[in-house]
Amino acid sequence: DIQMTQSPSTLSASVGDRVTITCRASLSIGPWLAWYQQKPGEALNLLIYKASNLQSGVPSRFSGSGSGTEFTLTISSLQPDDFAIYYCQHYSSYSLTFGGGTKVEIE
Amino acid sequence: QVQLVQSGAEVKKPGASVKVSCKASGYTLTDYFMHWVRQVPGQGLEWMGSINTRSGGTGYAHKFQGRVTMTTDTSISTAYMELNTLKFDDTAVYYCARGWPPLPTLTNHYMDVWGKGTTVTVSS
Repeated sequence: DIQMTQSPSTLSASVGDRVTITCRASLSIGPWLAWYQQKPGEALNLLIYKASNLQSGVPSRFSGSGSGTEFTLTISSLQPDDFAIYYCQHYSSYSLTFGGGTKVEIE
Repeated sequence: QVQLVQSGAEVKKPGASVKVSCKASGYTLTDYFMHWVRQVPGQGLEWMGSINTRSGGTGYAHKFQGRVTMTTDTSISTAYMELNTLKFDDTAVYYCARGWPPLPTLTNHYMDVWGKGTTVTVSS
């Protein structure tokens, strides 16, 4: 199975900071990567699909990049509503695997 | 609006079964795959499998094969996930999630709409 490794596991930042989260795949996965946001008690929220496509309704401060084995999620200017846990996910015909998550907390 | 409403929390004994429901509204159930994902307390997300809601065909993660069954009742726009022979480490929050893009695309689905989760506690 393809393994997805996120870093860092925890990130402390302030409102207005630029934040970058990395996701690495154990094998090349092309562009087949999504990013999700999780807040306590809420449904998960799709942010990015196919590595760099912004889901409708998601603020433009979120962006994704990468291909193959290395991907990044960037929040250009962190807002109070963005403190949450972020997961990457590889999706393909045979495998849907999540990264371990990155908790973005207030510094 | 499009939403997935899941059934309430369950407490089960080891060896028992649990059946979680997921009612779709705001769209036609049979136009999309339904996926099931779980989250053990304090841990990450784990894909369990998915169902083609139009054909009934299923695909399960190796870890759950033989123990999980995913079904639908299209008359009430509801998907189900049943997990048998429960163990203590099946204690988790179980999520349903709609696969995108819609049918007839069969592969490379990500999840665009999620339920809020159903807590299943396995305790003696």
